[in-house]
Amino acid sequence: QVQLQESGPGLVKSSETLSLTCTVSGGSINNYYWSWIRQPPGKGLEWIGYIYYTGTTKYNPSLKSRVTISVDTSKHQFSLNLNSVTAADTAVYYCASPLMPGYLYGWAYWGQGTLVTVSS
Amino acid sequence: QSVLTQPPSASGTPGQRVTISCSGSSSNIGTNNVNWYQQLSGTAPKLLIYGNNQRPSGVPDRFSGSKSGTSASLAISGLQSEDETDYYCAAWDDSLNGVVFGGGTKLTVL
Repeated sequence: QVQLQESGPGLVKSSETLSLTCTVSGGSINNYYWSWIRQPPGKGLEWIGYIYYTGTTKYNPSLKSRVTISVDTSKHQFSLNLNSVTAADTAVYYCASPLMPGYLYGWAYWGQGTLVTVSS
Repeated sequence: QSVLTQPPSASGTPGQRVTISCSGSSSNIGTNNVNWYQQLSGTAPKLLIYGNNQRPSGVPDRFSGSKSGTSASLAISGLQSEDETDYYCAAWDDSLNGVVFGGGTKLTVL
């Protein structure tokens, strides 16, 4: 059973960079598309982007200019960097993986989520 | 405003069958698979339906999904009190080149 665990600062200052890491355990990082999804308090879900284990990425067009997702297969980790953050980036950030290899979405495995607050 | 449109709320009584709709366009639901998620308060979403109508292992067969044209639906039969929570649809959008979500539907069991 794949398990995902997000880690990173829970408080980031406005205009700085939000950095989170997701550690994968219980399964292979290979052949999967790994995603980041966020949810502002009291609001709906927003897909941020994904990375394939080879390093191929795809980002939400609304965030593309500020987002970088990277993968370190040797550490079984993938990471999210979101720069120039504002209060609008305050959200619970989830890492997730699909049910099957090769699926782009259809996320069956999720981290528990981590709340990141952007302070002024 | 979400790309996929869901009713903000739905309700039903125990044992009843309820449906939640998800409306999109030819660039998303019309050409790509729809997934449904259930999210209990304070927890990560749970995959209920993938590939329009497939249930992951462990999801009760009370939950079913369907798609027709540019709309999809999640049906819950034999409604139970524990079904009272939020539900989201999602699909790939070819125009936006990314995954889009519905705004979510809060289901109340009366």
